[in-house]
Amino acid sequence: DIQMTQSPSSLSASVGDRVTITCRASQSISTYLNWYQQKPGRAPNLLIYGASSLQSGVPSRFSGSGSGTEFSLTIISLLPEDFATYYCQESYSTPHNFGQGTKLEIK
Amino acid sequence: EVQLVETGGGLIQPGGSLRLSCAASGLTVSGNYMSWVRQAPGKGLEWVSVLYRSGATYYADSVKGRFTTSRDNSENTLYLQMNSLRAEDTAVYYCARSVEGRYYVDVWGKGTTVIVSS
Repeated sequence: DIQMTQSPSSLSASVGDRVTITCRASQSISTYLNWYQQKPGRAPNLLIYGASSLQSGVPSRFSGSGSGTEFSLTIISLLPEDFATYYCQESYSTPHNFGQGTKLEIK
Repeated sequence: EVQLVETGGGLIQPGGSLRLSCAASGLTVSGNYMSWVRQAPGKGLEWVSVLYRSGATYYADSVKGRFTTSRDNSENTLYLQMNSLRAEDTAVYYCARSVEGRYYVDVWGKGTTVIVSS
């Protein structure tokens, strides 16, 4: 199984800041890497698929990059609605494991 | 509008069985890759299973041999049969559509809660 490790586990930032979350795969997954945002009591929401493709309807302040084993999600100019928990997920092989999550909190 | 609605959650004793249903609208279960993902209270997301269009199924090791994913094409519904339930199966269970080829989840249900407790 491929293990996914996110860092940091939590992050404090201010409105307007730029933040980057990192995800590392235990083996190469090409660009089979997806990012989701989840708010309390809600289902996850797809942000990025294929490591860098922005899902329709997702604001352009979100971007993803990486390939192989190292990936990142960047949010520029944080808005209040961006404070949530973010998960990466590999979809290269089953089980399609998720990272442990990164909680983005308001400083 | 594409929609997935999960039902069937509840309180069940350890060792018991429960069947979750996921009614789909706006998409056909048989024509898509359908997944179950769960989230224990206060924890992260855990991939549970996937049912391919071909009918092939794959499971997380934590549920293999106890859970079975199936579909009813006439009802356009996905199911998760859960047997030999354990306390650690307590979670919100989400039904989801995975996009063919890249297998990312682009449609999620709202989830149904399963509590395994005596």
